[in-house]
Amino acid sequence: EAQVTQNPRYLITVTGKKLTVTCSQNMNHEYMSWYRQDPGLGLRQIYYSMNVEVTDKGDVPEGYKVSRKEKRNFPLILESPSPNQTSLYFCASSLVPNQPQHFGDGTRLSIL
Amino acid sequence: AQSVAQPEDQVNVAEGNPLTVKCTYSVSGNPYLFWYVQYPNRGLQFLLKYITGDNLVKGSYGFEAEFNKSQTSFHLKKPSALVSDSALYFCAVRVPGDDKIIFGKGTRLHILP
Repeated sequence: EAQVTQNPRYLITVTGKKLTVTCSQNMNHEYMSWYRQDPGLGLRQIYYSMNVEVTDKGDVPEGYKVSRKEKRNFPLILESPSPNQTSLYFCASSLVPNQPQHFGDGTRLSIL
Repeated sequence: AQSVAQPEDQVNVAEGNPLTVKCTYSVSGNPYLFWYVQYPNRGLQFLLKYITGDNLVKGSYGFEAEFNKSQTSFHLKKPSALVSDSALYFCAVRVPGDDKIIFGKGTRLHILP
């Protein structure tokens, strides 16, 4: 089954404790992306990647890092999380940016 | 600045009536436009897209959208609403000449039985 898998689905943690949200897709997609969803703000793109070792900033990259060492994986790293990063996060992938994206089921992060 | 606007936070429609969810965009060049739907506790699901060609695009679950270049709009429509259409709808655009994707803020659609 074609899917985008994110882990964990839920995480409560404290300010400053490094965390990683994993994302994996099994569709051999080139394009992968991370979004955060906040009430009243919709989805905002954090980072995206066109291919292995190619990543670019989206609209809200501050406080986040990503890596793309393999085509299928695109982890999101919060080196020093802060409460304003409490949000619902989605990973998505598509063959190219012009094509529809497949979304994971989301990761709800709470930073205390 | 490149942007996507969904002017209505919420739309209420009686079951069986036609529905419209509005989307306007502001990008330079020819846009690639998408509609997605989000059900509670799930990721977004693709509904339809406009790349080039016919201005009326048909998608999943009986939805369609009309691309209007002069009005820079891409409104989502359905002739007869179902209660099961109640969800959060997002319009998105791929910025021409860039690889970014910009989403609107979303419109919550309530279909009243």
